[in-house]
Amino acid sequence: AAGVIQSPRHLIKEKRETATLKCYPIPRHDTVYWYQQGPGQDPQFLISFYEKMQSDKGSIPDRFSAQQFSDYHSELNMSSLELGDSALYFCASEAGASYNEQFFGPGTRLTVL
Amino acid sequence: SQQGEEDPQALSIQEGENATMNCSYKTSINNLQWYRQNSGRGLVHLILIRSNEREKHSGRLRVTLDTSKKSSSLLITASRAADTASYFCATDGSGGGADGLTFGKGTHLIIQP
Repeated sequence: AAGVIQSPRHLIKEKRETATLKCYPIPRHDTVYWYQQGPGQDPQFLISFYEKMQSDKGSIPDRFSAQQFSDYHSELNMSSLELGDSALYFCASEAGASYNEQFFGPGTRLTVL
Repeated sequence: SQQGEEDPQALSIQEGENATMNCSYKTSINNLQWYRQNSGRGLVHLILIRSNEREKHSGRLRVTLDTSKKSSSLLITASRAADTASYFCATDGSGGGADGLTFGKGTHLIIQP
């Protein structure tokens, strides 16, 4: 079965640079979530989209923005990167924003030097 | 304490034994989900239990939910070495759809061969 696809899988950036992470949800899933997981930490919710509209917002820094496109894929844009942004970034998708299972992608490991 | 805390934080058992992990949460929920994560890898969805359910089974997994105590347990029977991983519970909000999940700190399970 098709799963959530994230790209790139690994990304290395310098401080103050920008990064764009991409997420392709499971086909026919219209809801996308972004999470950040620091080393040894539990995942923290950043932001979600349902039917291309922002739905819920968590602990997403103002330096980050995201959007969901007409084909339901989503991009997380990160600017003025800081060392503390080094983490695993997960995207999850769900069918219908109806308290169903959220299926996670493999994650993008971002390292900020 | 945070929403969705697991205990124990770490558990080491012999292969073939049963492993029980507990999760507590603080606010009302629509559902509670359990995930498994191997070190540095993606989150694998194990099971979802809704607030009106008390028990659910999936293969060697048994999940219980006690909404009066705001707690859940995950039982893995006949453990295998491949079950070694971190296990997280995650709760949704009781607001509108597309709520981000709140994860607990996780239980690191080690199955000794």
